[in-house]
Amino acid sequence: QQQVKQSPQSLIVQKGGISIINCAYENTAFDYFPWYQQFPGKGPALLIAIRPDVSEKKEGRFTISFNKSAKQFSLHIMDSQPGDSATYFCAAGHILTGGGNKLTFGTGTQLKVEL
Amino acid sequence: DAGITQSPRYKITETGRQVTLMCHQTWSHSYMFWYRQDLGHGLRLIYYSAAADITDKGEVPDGYVVSRSKTENFPLTLESATRSQTSVYFCASSEFLRGEQYFGPGTRLTVT
Repeated sequence: QQQVKQSPQSLIVQKGGISIINCAYENTAFDYFPWYQQFPGKGPALLIAIRPDVSEKKEGRFTISFNKSAKQFSLHIMDSQPGDSATYFCAAGHILTGGGNKLTFGTGTQLKVEL
Repeated sequence: DAGITQSPRYKITETGRQVTLMCHQTWSHSYMFWYRQDLGHGLRLIYYSAAADITDKGEVPDGYVVSRSKTENFPLTLESATRSQTSVYFCASSEFLRGEQYFGPGTRLTVT
């Protein structure tokens, strides 16, 4: 059972363009929505995260948009650069007893930014 | 060096063999996690641990065993490896009451 659905599977964007990756979740108990970035041969690294009490969070060129009623959230990368070429994973999490988050990941989007 | 390390980075083993993947973190994070990464499936949680001697199953625990006798170490054992366990395995850690998980560099395991 896939609780977090991510699309598209792959994405090609021209340098300077906007990259948009979408995710949808099913479990309304999720209360933490991070995006992770992974370069080839490396482990994923946190890019940006949002809690459901806000509809948007922006950090530099990266923005998360969150729609609680639709159970959807998306990552927007403005002014996309070749260095942004990586695999992006959305995730949804809920608080574990005593703290910490248990994450369910999407299937990933391979982004390529062309010159 | 501070951080989270995994060993070995690459491992080839035969079906039926026991293999242990090691994970070590130097931050004294309470939570540690094991994931497997497969094309088309993303990252799937195998086991996690809230503290030493406290472990719990994730989404895909069958065929795996974990232990955590010390806060800094969280080994993952495949008791009798199968070809379906060929994957890239990532260990991660998380500070108490913080959401961010820090991932290790991964172990690429091939079961022949």
